[in-house]
Amino acid sequence: QSALTQPPSASGSPGQSVTISCTGTSSDIGGYNSVSWYQQHSGKAPKLMIYEVSKRPSGVPDRFSGSKSGNTASLTVSGLQAGDEADYYCCSNAGSNNRVIFGGGTKLTVL
Amino acid sequence: EVQLVESGGGLVQPGGSLRLSCAPSGFTLTGYWMSWVRQAPGKGLEWVAYINEAGSEKYYLDSVKGRFTISRDNAQNSLYLQMSSLGAEDTAVYYCARVRPPHYFDCWGQGTLVTVSS
Repeated sequence: QSALTQPPSASGSPGQSVTISCTGTSSDIGGYNSVSWYQQHSGKAPKLMIYEVSKRPSGVPDRFSGSKSGNTASLTVSGLQAGDEADYYCCSNAGSNNRVIFGGGTKLTVL
Repeated sequence: EVQLVESGGGLVQPGGSLRLSCAPSGFTLTGYWMSWVRQAPGKGLEWVAYINEAGSEKYYLDSVKGRFTISRDNAQNSLYLQMSSLGAEDTAVYYCARVRPPHYFDCWGQGTLVTVSS
C-alpha cells in the first residue's frame, strides 16, 4: 500500500493560516473516519494533534483543526506561531485488516 | 506523566537479529493495543506492527512479516519487537506507541535507533 500523499512543504507568516492536505483513496481516508495528524519537531518523537478527523486531544490548541472531504483530509493551523514549525504527518487505517499508513510528511515553515 | 521508554537499539550486521523493548511509565500496558512505528533517517513515519491487549492478535507491515515478531508481557508491563534477517532497509529509529481505537497513537516513546551495517 502506498503512503498517503502530502505536499513536501508548506509555509506561512506568523498570525496567518496554513492548510496541509493529505490525499488517499476510498480504501483508506475515504472509507473511514480514522484520520489522525502528528507533529514532529526535529529530533523529537511525534505528538498527536488531531484524531478521528477533527478531534483535538487535551492540551492541543484550538488553532489546530482537521477536516475531511472524500479521499482528502486536511490540517489547518491558524494564528501561526514560531513553535508550529515542524514536520506534520497524516495517518489513516488502510482497510479492515488492521493496517495503518502514514503520509510522507509536510515540513511547515513559519516565515 | 504518561511515558514510553524504548531500549535495545544499536548497530547490527546485515542478516543479524535484535530485540527491542518498550516500558511504560504512568500507566500499565494492560488494556491497550500497542504498536511499533519506525522512521528511516531523513524519511517519514512507517507503521510496523500492532498487538492487541492480550497478545493474541498481531498485524504486520508486509515487508517485515515473517522477520519481525511483536510480543508483550503484561505481567512485566513490557512490549517487545524481535527483529531478524535485518537488512539496510530496516535502519531506522523505532518508536513504540500506545494505540487508541480506531487507529491512532496517543503516546509515543523517544525512539531507539537501529543501524544495520557491516
